[in-house]
Amino acid sequence: DTAVSQTPKYLVTQMGNDKSIKCEQNLGHDTMYWYKQDSKKFLKIMFSYNNKELIINETVPNRFSPKSPDKAHLNLHINSLELGDSAVYFCASSQLFGLAGGNEQFFGPGTRLTVL
Amino acid sequence: RKEVEQDPGPFNVPEGATVAFNCTYSNSASQSFFWYRQDCRKEPKLLMSVYSSGNEDGRFTAQLNRASQYISLLIRDSKLSDSATYLCVVKKIRNDYKLSFGAGTTVTVRA
Repeated sequence: DTAVSQTPKYLVTQMGNDKSIKCEQNLGHDTMYWYKQDSKKFLKIMFSYNNKELIINETVPNRFSPKSPDKAHLNLHINSLELGDSAVYFCASSQLFGLAGGNEQFFGPGTRLTVL
Repeated sequence: RKEVEQDPGPFNVPEGATVAFNCTYSNSASQSFFWYRQDCRKEPKLLMSVYSSGNEDGRFTAQLNRASQYISLLIRDSKLSDSATYLCVVKKIRNDYKLSFGAGTTVTVRA
């Protein structure tokens, strides 16, 4: 069974459109994340939710709006897509008190977004 | 200065060789350290945590040098399947949610 799943896997769209990416985890974790990995492969945190509450909100344009209907789901809606939004978006989940006092994060397979 | 910096490589090594690389972090208060592995067009996966005393997991050895603020990863007896990008990951506070990722070091093992 897939632990962290994302849909869609690929998304090609025109500038100015609005799109959503969905994420679900079946690990029973309390915390979920959205990351953006750009063409230089740098993985950057965007948002994090813990038990449906927003706990991390990095400097991200307000065109990006996360929504967590329950602790197993975290969706990302993007308004007015721009060329610079093209990247791979990864969802992840973790338990706070996990491995070695850290929090091993389990990643979804990624959504490859291309804005034309 | 970036929070976590890595030599991007690539490190091209023959099968059976040993390869080692470092990662530096800027915040001296950082508490937890990890190496993640990312295969081409795949998601990152935890390879190993890095403990203060250093630790081994099979052919992989991780070291932490707090004085100089770097961590290292050494791979012995490289296999073709070790070809990947290795991401250095740092957490500032023990029970913090946020991880800071380096841009990765690419290793290619050739036959």
